[in-house]
Amino acid sequence: NAGVMQNPRHLVRRRGQEARLRCSPMKGHSHVYWYRQLPEEGLKFMVYLQKENIIDESGMPKERFSAEFPKEGPSILRIQQVVRGDSAAYFCASSPAGADTEAFFGQGTRLTVV
Amino acid sequence: GENVEQHPSTLSVQEGDSAVIKCTYSDSASNYFPWYKQELGKRPQLIIDIRSNVGEKKDQRIAVTLNKTAKHFSLHITETQPEDSAVYFCAAVGSGGYNKLIFGAGTRLAVHP
Repeated sequence: NAGVMQNPRHLVRRRGQEARLRCSPMKGHSHVYWYRQLPEEGLKFMVYLQKENIIDESGMPKERFSAEFPKEGPSILRIQQVVRGDSAAYFCASSPAGADTEAFFGQGTRLTVV
Repeated sequence: GENVEQHPSTLSVQEGDSAVIKCTYSDSASNYFPWYKQELGKRPQLIIDIRSNVGEKKDQRIAVTLNKTAKHFSLHITETQPEDSAVYFCAAVGSGGYNKLIFGAGTRLAVHP
């Protein structure tokens, strides 16, 4: 079991460009969660998705950010027109169904906006 | 809204001493409380978790206690070692019936030889 796979591990974007972050959940997991970790801070929930459905996007900024989890392929977190404040580590986690099951985290994508 | 408070933000101990990190949560419906260890530049890794039907759980040098009435839970590390140095995060599952984690702000633990 390869675990949760995220790519790229590091991403550098200029202000105004788009960033696409990918996450493949663990085999057998159909629940994906995205978290953002600003430097020297804790993880903040962004969005929860199941296949083809956004279940909870209460932590996602209303503009420039979007997420999807298509029927085939990885989950994508997309940030349009990036700004310096978007620089952070973005972690994806997957879990089986249920509210009290272990969440497995990917290695994260470290986004740097220059 | 849902919130998890974590204290202290930094903790420095001598090797062999115990370390205690405390968290409180706001959502009385939370029933799952994991603790994660994060080393610099790496992913959070689960070290122990507790569910609301028990008050204490132990795994070798690590233990967690839960007081649902007070909405309070704690991590205890005994016989600390330098390799325990990391940032530790507590979390509580938010409302909604799925695994949305509300994290504390983290505790940076330094264990000095």
